[in-house]
Amino acid sequence: EVQLVESGGGLVKPGRSLRLSCTASGFTFGDYAMSWFRQAPGKGLEWVGFIRSKAYGGTTEYAASVKGRFTISRDDSKSIAYLQMNSLKTEDTAVYYCTRDGETGYFDLWGRGTLVTVSS
Amino acid sequence: AIRITQSPSSLSASTGDRVTITCRASQGISSYLAWYQQKPGKAPKLLIYAASTLQSGVPSRFSGSGSGTDFTLTISCLQSEDFATYYCQQYYSYPLAFGQGTKVEIK
Repeated sequence: EVQLVESGGGLVKPGRSLRLSCTASGFTFGDYAMSWFRQAPGKGLEWVGFIRSKAYGGTTEYAASVKGRFTISRDDSKSIAYLQMNSLKTEDTAVYYCTRDGETGYFDLWGRGTLVTVSS
Repeated sequence: AIRITQSPSSLSASTGDRVTITCRASQGISSYLAWYQQKPGKAPKLLIYAASTLQSGVPSRFSGSGSGTDFTLTISCLQSEDFATYYCQQYYSYPLAFGQGTKVEIK
């Protein structure tokens, strides 16, 4: 089955770090870029960033709201994408989704999401 | 950064109604626009890409139109399973941006 499963969410204090994982199955992970999105409680969708496939250099792009604090990486041997979140703020509280990115700009495969709550 | 204005923010409709949702981009984005449906507690589901191309498996009662700055999602005959929140998303340039969402509720 083609799917993405996020993990690693939880409750964390402001200023702390957290790493999310996105485990892929059912497709050739290394052929795709991987993107992260988030959705604050009761709010709309926000793009967080993405990492290109190795074929396209494995480079990354980030939203201004997380640039310098969040880092996306990938381990193609394990079919996992990571979102390292540092210096977390209360406004980072959201459900975080990973998506398969066929370099098209739109997203046909989403994980179920993992909730990150930043609170003291 | 490109901004997307989506309207209305919510609407009430009955099963069988025709529903129209609009998105306006702050600058021309050609046809680089997608539409998603999201139900409570679930991930978004891709409905339409390239402004008017129906994603595989999506019912034909959904349709999209527009190019440049103005876009429309139409549900021709609303079904019970269509009550959800709908988002448009531009992918003309980064940062990717979504509209604020339209919640379609039962009248």
